[in-house]
Amino acid sequence: ETGVTQTPRHLVMGMTNKKSLKCEQHLGHNAMYWYKQSAKKPLELMFVYSLEERVENNSVPSRFSPECPNSSHLFLHLHTLQPEDSALYLCASSQEASGGSGELFFGEGSRLTVL
Amino acid sequence: GEDVEQSLFLSVREGDSSVINCTYTDSSSTYLYWYKQEPGAGLQLLTYIFSNMDMKQDQRLTVLLNKKDKHLSLRIADTQTGDSAIYFCAERIYDMRFGAGTRLTVKP
Repeated sequence: ETGVTQTPRHLVMGMTNKKSLKCEQHLGHNAMYWYKQSAKKPLELMFVYSLEERVENNSVPSRFSPECPNSSHLFLHLHTLQPEDSALYLCASSQEASGGSGELFFGEGSRLTVL
Repeated sequence: GEDVEQSLFLSVREGDSSVINCTYTDSSSTYLYWYKQEPGAGLQLLTYIFSNMDMKQDQRLTVLLNKKDKHLSLRIADTQTGDSAIYFCAERIYDMRFGAGTRLTVKP
């Protein structure tokens, strides 16, 4: 496999459920990201991991919990979500290096619907 | 302003050129990017330009950068129906900052 893969592509969950989104990158990159895309706010950065350490958390509610066990894998654990959390969740990776172009490579996204 | 700004919609006829404009926020941005998003998919990197360049051409795509005005544009020559998508402009300072996206509709 190549690039950035996300599973599941579609997820429907109730407000009391616990689920997880998974992301895997096959590009040898050292940074991974979670973005939220919705009609209200097109692209919101949620979490950044660089060298497996979380470097940014843009005031995301605690019902979203990220996990980065190694440089190739990123999870987003979901717990007691609200209907307004329904959105497309995009994972991305990049190679962070001095002088590099730093472009992000995105997965296809996980479409989440909270009932 | 504090946001990367783009027009929300653009409609062109097949075969015409499309020009998508963007105003970014920080003159110290080192790289500027254009991404394309097709329905139900993630963002695909189209091209990027280093801030010391004025222009970059890649087949049907031409990127123009005006650093003085902090203005970036993407020109698509001979626009095809397959080019219909949302196009995002982004700047990289510390993290990547995206515009709201321009929805390009190509009419036959």
